[in-house]
Amino acid sequence: KQEVTQIPAALSVPEGENLVLNCSFTDSAIYNLQWFRQDPGKGLTSLLLIQSSQREQTSGRLNASLDKSSGRSTLYIAASQPGDSATYLCAVRLSGSGNTGKLIFGQGTTLQVKP
Amino acid sequence: NAGVTQTPKFRVLKTGQSMTLLCAQDMNHEYMYWYRQDPGMGLRLIHYSVGEGTTAKGEVPDGYNVSRLKKQNFLLGLESAAPSQTSVYFCASSYLGNEQYFGPGTRLTVT
Repeated sequence: KQEVTQIPAALSVPEGENLVLNCSFTDSAIYNLQWFRQDPGKGLTSLLLIQSSQREQTSGRLNASLDKSSGRSTLYIAASQPGDSATYLCAVRLSGSGNTGKLIFGQGTTLQVKP
Repeated sequence: NAGVTQTPKFRVLKTGQSMTLLCAQDMNHEYMYWYRQDPGMGLRLIHYSVGEGTTAKGEVPDGYNVSRLKKQNFLLGLESAAPSQTSVYFCASSYLGNEQYFGPGTRLTVT
């Protein structure tokens, strides 16, 4: 059974610092991996999607990497800002799930960026 | 485009009452999903649909029913609400199982 783990559960950093959020999964047979952001009391906003054949994706100050063989993904945030404070979730889509697109979520890392 | 919308935003039910949550998307997506989010449990898939008129069970389907009569709408029903169904419910949609787009959520309390 696929399990997705995000460590740490919470992280606090000063403004301007570069940081890395970690996501690990137990079954390397994934179709893709998606990183989301969730603000308190809000829905999920998709940040980046990495296909299984890709090694990384970039969007602005965000860079996500994928290493299928080791079951790991990282989300790198450059020059962090207080507005980056949120919970970050990763989710994997299993390659054996047909075309249903079902996602398995980690429990998230709550990030606080202090001014 | 409004994206994915959910109604209502908040609801309080008494045990045994019924209700329907509505999800609508205007992106012409084939696939739609209902999740619940609980502290310490993360997001879990309740039911999903890969097209109009089709539905399937997810990880935690018990106590819920769904219908997809129109491509743009996905309804989640609770026939007899229980306190264990107190949660935040999210709807999502995707194009053929690719990147998922989420609605703002419905916060449900069952007393």
